[in-house]
Amino acid sequence: QITLKESGPTLVKPTQTLTLTCSFSGFSLNTTKVGVGWIRQPPGKALEWLAVIYWDDDRRYSPSLKNRLTITKDTSKNYVVLTMTNVDPVDTGTYFCAHSMSRGSGTYYDPWGQGILVTVSS
Amino acid sequence: DIQMTQSPSSLSASVGDRVTITCRASQSISNYLNWYQQKPGKAPKFLIYAASSLQSGVPSRFSGSGSGTDFTLTISSLQPEDFATYYCQQSYDSPTAFGGGTKVEI
Repeated sequence: QITLKESGPTLVKPTQTLTLTCSFSGFSLNTTKVGVGWIRQPPGKALEWLAVIYWDDDRRYSPSLKNRLTITKDTSKNYVVLTMTNVDPVDTGTYFCAHSMSRGSGTYYDPWGQGILVTVSS
Repeated sequence: DIQMTQSPSSLSASVGDRVTITCRASQSISNYLNWYQQKPGKAPKFLIYAASSLQSGVPSRFSGSGSGTDFTLTISSLQPEDFATYYCQQSYDSPTAFGGGTKVEI
């Protein structure tokens, strides 16, 4: 059974750096075609994809946030870290991590962690 | 970047109704289209892969179709547990992108 759980601060001040950790079990990031992605959701709004890291250390970022995001992995300890610099109140929302799988017709996210609500406020 | 547009943004329906949600891509994405269901306060749940492949455990009243730029998610007979928000996601090209969501309300 695959499970993921997000952890990190729930309140961050503007201009600070946000560091979120996704701890997972039930799969290995050494397995071909596997990845872990981050997706966020502002309150009452739609899902927004942020970043993904794959088994081969390939990393992809949202173009609009690329300059502020860094995704890393620790394969031996089964966690992925997302760092977002210079946060702003518009970055407030629930941040999800999710297991990603790449197959013949694309990549999907399943399952997802429960999410962590991050508020950016002074 | 490929943009995904869902319609309608919300709809009202009754138990037993047939419901259809549309997702349109800004360019052809073949069948690289996934669907998710999200209930309030919960993480999204993966429903359909590659436009029409129902995931294990997903009720057969859910179905997906389409290719190229136009896709649909159909619920043949809406059940109380189906009231939720539905999102499409394209995985044809990086960056992946989700649609704006369709909220299915009573």
